[in-house]
Amino acid sequence: AQTVTQSQPEMSVQEAETVTLSCTYDTSESDYYLFWYKQPPSRQMILVIRQEAYKQQNATENRFSVNFQKAAKSFSLKISDSQLGDAAMYFCAYCPEFNNAGNMLTFGGGTRLMVKP
Amino acid sequence: NAGVTQTPKFQVLKTGQSMTLQCAQDMNHEYMSWYRQDPGMGLRLIHYSVGAGITDQGEVPNGYNVSRSTTEDFPLRLLSAAPSQTSVYFCASSYGTAAYEQYFGPGTRLTVT
Repeated sequence: AQTVTQSQPEMSVQEAETVTLSCTYDTSESDYYLFWYKQPPSRQMILVIRQEAYKQQNATENRFSVNFQKAAKSFSLKISDSQLGDAAMYFCAYCPEFNNAGNMLTFGGGTRLMVKP
Repeated sequence: NAGVTQTPKFQVLKTGQSMTLQCAQDMNHEYMSWYRQDPGMGLRLIHYSVGAGITDQGEVPNGYNVSRSTTEDFPLRLLSAAPSQTSVYFCASSYGTAAYEQYFGPGTRLTVT
């Protein structure tokens, strides 16, 4: 079974600074997708960024970028120029390319990010 | 487009009561799922559906039933609520396989006393 581990329950960052959230996963699949979701206090799950395992290039979305290390099974999220609105729970998630469980996402336990003004 | 909607937003039940959490999507998505979120554990899959008339169990299905009579709706039934089912429940939908984004509803916070 696949597992996703987020080893940092809480992180804090000063506004305008850069922070990196860690995620490791375990799988025997070679084709899969990795995701970072943001959950603000409103509870809404918001997709931040997605990485296809077959792509060597790290995904980037504006201030958000990932460091995907397939051999190490590591998928960290870097937030640059942190803003107060980035404060939220962040979840790392995994989904195999081909699966019989309706695109089941396996989530890590989450990292609460606090942004200090 | 309303996206994925869930009702109710909050619910308190007594042990042994039954209820149905509603989920609807207006994006014509085939895939729909129910997750529960517990502190420190992220979200875990309860049941899922890959199309009308087709449902299957996820990681934590015990105590829950689902049906999918239409593409739009995917209700989750708690047959006899237990305190262990206190959680936040999310419904999600997607157009197809892992390559497509999953859209989440706003969640239902359920407390069982």
